[in-house]
Amino acid sequence: QAVVTQEPSLTVSPGGTVTLTCGSSTGAVTSGHYPFWFQQKPGQAPKTLIYDTNNKHPWTPARFSGSLLGGKAALTLSGAQPGDEAEYFCMFSYSGVRVFGGGTKLTVL
Amino acid sequence: QVHLVQSGAEVKKPGASVKVSCEASGYTFTTYYLHWVRQAPGQGLEWVGLVIPKSGFTMYAERFQGRVTMTRETSTSTVYMELSSLRSDDTAVYYCARDGTGAHFDYWGQGTLVTVSS
Repeated sequence: QAVVTQEPSLTVSPGGTVTLTCGSSTGAVTSGHYPFWFQQKPGQAPKTLIYDTNNKHPWTPARFSGSLLGGKAALTLSGAQPGDEAEYFCMFSYSGVRVFGGGTKLTVL
Repeated sequence: QVHLVQSGAEVKKPGASVKVSCEASGYTFTTYYLHWVRQAPGQGLEWVGLVIPKSGFTMYAERFQGRVTMTRETSTSTVYMELSSLRSDDTAVYYCARDGTGAHFDYWGQGTLVTVSS
């Protein structure tokens, strides 16, 4: 099974910009991996922010955006707010089999 | 409005089986896939598998093959996940989540805590 790798932790200043990335052990990430990004706060179910690389749900704040960057999937947060402090997980599809990354704990400080 | 309502917490002994349900409402049950995702205490998310309610087709993560069975009952708009030969490291919160064109993991169940302990 493929391994999906994320930064274990990142810190961003309020109002700052940060990019989280997600790589695949099988090689470059493409749109064919249908990258997803989820936000999870303690005690809550995950919430989907981005699907299929760069598509947003109606509840996704405009400050979040998804892309492919240097062979990885990327989630960029522009204008971080204290409420964005959470764990972020990516997920890829490998011919239908989904694999999650280990998660990035984002601190806004 | 869409709801995914899961069954209540379970405590099982090692070697036993558990069956968790996820009842869907507020949409046409056969339109979307349903995934099962689990999260061990303090750990990340792990995909367990999916079921397509329209056909009953299933797909499982390799590590659960042979131990997990996902089924659906269209008359009650419910999907089930049964995990057998439970071990202590199966202790986790199990979530169902809706997916497919127009859905994309938009709704999640509230989670079901399964505790495996002797």
